This record gives sequence, structure tokens and C-alpha cells, in this order.
Amino acid sequence: NAGVTQTPKFRVLKTGQSMTLLCAQDMNHEYMYWYRQDPGMGLRLIHYSVGEGTTAKGEVPDGYNVSRLKKQNFLLGLESAAPSQTSVYFCASRMAGGTGYTFGSGTRLTVV
Amino acid sequence: SQQGEEDPQALSIQEGENATMNCSYKTSINNLQWYRQNSGRGLVHLILIRSNEREKHSGRLRVTLDTSKKSSSLLITASRAADTASYFCATAGGNAGGTSYGKLTFGQGTILTVHP
Repeated sequence: NAGVTQTPKFRVLKTGQSMTLLCAQDMNHEYMYWYRQDPGMGLRLIHYSVGEGTTAKGEVPDGYNVSRLKKQNFLLGLESAAPSQTSVYFCASRMAGGTGYTFGSGTRLTVV
Repeated sequence: SQQGEEDPQALSIQEGENATMNCSYKTSINNLQWYRQNSGRGLVHLILIRSNEREKHSGRLRVTLDTSKKSSSLLITASRAADTASYFCATAGGNAGGTSYGKLTFGQGTILTVHP
């Protein structure tokens, strides 16, 4: 049981480049989330999804897009990367009902 | 904006001692959760306490919740060097209609160091 898998684990981008972060979960969870973690800021919600084909904005959605074409996958896209998007990105998922999240191991992104 | 605020920001103790971390929040909640994060790793769910619960135990962990004071505490008893990590509280909104979809708002965390 792999849980939540994030790829890639590390990436360096130049300003203006685009990329997609992939999150895959094998637990048949309904809800999926993308967070970013910055020093001294805790985790902030970027986008989330409550089911296949649905997405919604979180606290800091600007500069990001997401898609959930399949229940098990939640993609986070950066169309034109900026240095302010340098961060560690975490994907998480959970079942319906009040349960805890299962987190991936994170993607460390540096934009130069 | 951060909903949960942890206190202290950093805590250093000796192995065998108890560690207490506190969390305060601002708005009504459905539940409050605690997570642990080891350096360079993802967060691991420790325990969830619902708004109608006052105390919960899991192994060496004890969590209390005081909704009147909008605060929670995490107690780790008989700490071990392996407990060294950052600990985060996170709150799930109290939206009665359920449209909060369990979105968690995290605090900035407490860095716990347990010395052997």
C-alpha cells in the first residue's frame, strides 16, 4: 500500500518555465488537497478537490491550476513559474467524513 | 491567515520527560488534529479530536480540547529521542452545511527536540 505518492521529489525551474506536479493515491480517497509549506508560514492550502472532475480554490491559488480527471490523481500545474513559488509542496488525501489526512513526502521546488 | 497558533515555537527536553504543546484557534471548529513532521518528510497524522470531545488518548499521546477557550494541548509522555520532530495542530472548520469539505488550517508548528 503506497499511500500518497508525489513526483517529482525535487525540481529546479527557471522563471517563466512551466511544470506539473503529480499526486497519486491508492486508497480510494474522495478528497485531495495541495498545500505549500514555507519557513515560518506553516502549510497553506492552494487548491483542493472533493471528487473526480471537481476542483476548488484554497487560500493561495494564484499562479496555480489543478485537475482531477481520475479519482486517484490530482495534478498541480505552474504555467509560468516565479521565484515566489519556491517552496515545498505537499499533496494530501482523505476519506469522506471527519478523518485525518494522509500526506505525500513532498516536492521541493526551487525557481531561479 | 493561520487559524491555529502553537506555543511554544520550540521545546527542548531530555529523554523520559513529558512534552506539552499548546494550540489556540480563532473560529468555531468541527475537529482539531495534530500532526508530526520529521525533518524533510511529509506530515503524519497523530490524533483527531472532535468539537464535542474534551480529551483523547493514543498510546503516549494525550490531547485535550477546550472549545470555550478555543485551545488544545498535546502531551507526549515519557518522550524518546525518536519523538524529535515538528508538531502541528490543524483545525477543520465548523461549517454546519459541510461545505468546508474538511479543509484544514495549520498552525506554524512547535519544534520539539528530545535529547538522549
